[in-house]
Amino acid sequence: EAGVTQSPTHLIKTRGQQATLRCSPISGHTSVYWYQQALGLGLQFLLWYDEGEERNRGNFPPRFSGRQFPNYSSELNVNALELEDSALYLCASSLLRGGDTQYFGPGTRLTVL
Amino acid sequence: QKEVEQDPGPLSVPEGAIVSLNCTYSNSAFQYFMWYRQYSRKGPELLMYTYSSGNKEDGRFTAQVDKSSKYISLFIRDSQPSDSATYLCAMSAQGAQKLVFGQGTRLTINP
Repeated sequence: EAGVTQSPTHLIKTRGQQATLRCSPISGHTSVYWYQQALGLGLQFLLWYDEGEERNRGNFPPRFSGRQFPNYSSELNVNALELEDSALYLCASSLLRGGDTQYFGPGTRLTVL
Repeated sequence: QKEVEQDPGPLSVPEGAIVSLNCTYSNSAFQYFMWYRQYSRKGPELLMYTYSSGNKEDGRFTAQVDKSSKYISLFIRDSQPSDSATYLCAMSAQGAQKLVFGQGTRLTINP
């Protein structure tokens, strides 16, 4: 069974640009979660999508947004990039809506110059 | 004060030693407790999942939860160099959708 996949592996942008990150959940999983892992800050919850709807978001500004597609894959968009947005962005999926057993992908490393 | 506290280490032990990793938390609503292992430049891998208090064993790994003390532990027996990684504790409340993570402990097992 394929795990959670994310693309691209690495992404380099400059300040003010927009970044788009993609995630495909484990087959059969309907919930997708996004986390940011910045150096020294640990993993922080960003967004939760289920059945195509944003269900919850963490303490991040509105320029962090995303969507979930009918096939349950998801996209995270970060607008007006700032230097401090440089981090590893991790996607996780779970079988149950809001289920607690979350399985993570390998992440997308975003570097903002 | 952070909701979940975890000593970032680094922790270095010889091969074969018993490793003890710990987290404390402040939110009494947490019911689900997890340990993830993260190798360098990889995503976190779920190691152990525990609901409420008690112990859970899986091979060389044992997870303990003491809700009265708001304290969770992960023990690794007969540690191997391949266990060298960052270990993250995570927890969530009943019905919550987000996991709250500790900062992670960087562990090195020396051959």
